[in-house]
Amino acid sequence: EIVMTQSPATLSVSPGERATLSCRASQSVSSNLAWYQQKPGQAPRLLIYGASTRATGIPARFSGSGSGTEFTLTISSLQSEDFAVYYCQQYNNWPTFGQGTKLEIK
Amino acid sequence: QITLKESGPTLVKPTQTLTLTCTFSGFSLSTSGVGVGWIRQPPGKALEWLALIYWNDDKRYSPSLKSRLTITKDTSKNQVVLTMTNMDPVDTATYYCAHRPQGALFDPWGQGTLVTVSS
Repeated sequence: EIVMTQSPATLSVSPGERATLSCRASQSVSSNLAWYQQKPGQAPRLLIYGASTRATGIPARFSGSGSGTEFTLTISSLQSEDFAVYYCQQYNNWPTFGQGTKLEIK
Repeated sequence: QITLKESGPTLVKPTQTLTLTCTFSGFSLSTSGVGVGWIRQPPGKALEWLALIYWNDDKRYSPSLKSRLTITKDTSKNQVVLTMTNMDPVDTATYYCAHRPQGALFDPWGQGTLVTVSS
């Protein structure tokens, strides 16, 4: 099983600032990495796939980077609606998710 | 527009079998490349993938739960059914179904259904 580790567990950032979330895989997943956003009481929403490709309708302030075992999700200028929990997921093997990073308002 | 909705019991007793149905629209499970997956999320915890079924009836299961899971499809009804045997309180979770556009991506997801396992 490929273990996905996200850091930090909680990230406090002010609106308008940049947020950087990290995800590490226990072995290489190439670029088979996705990011999801989940708001309270809602289902997850796909943001990024292929490590860096934005899903349909996702604003340009969301960007993904990395390959192999190290990945980053960057939100360039945080809006109020961006405060949520973010999960990474690898799909190089059977899918596994990270434990999530909670992005909260500072 | 693709939509999915989960249905099934909200409460099951330990040792019982859980049967969940995913009813979808906006795509066909007879179209090459298409799939539907199931993912669960215990309260306050992370997501866990359970199973995936493809247009060609190929099926994949989480290795840790494989012995307890069965996924099937009814293309004519636009439904996918997941059964999980021998339910335990640790299986209490919100169960989601999701459209698989490629690889093992999930987009979009259904709203989820909370299943509580308790006697």
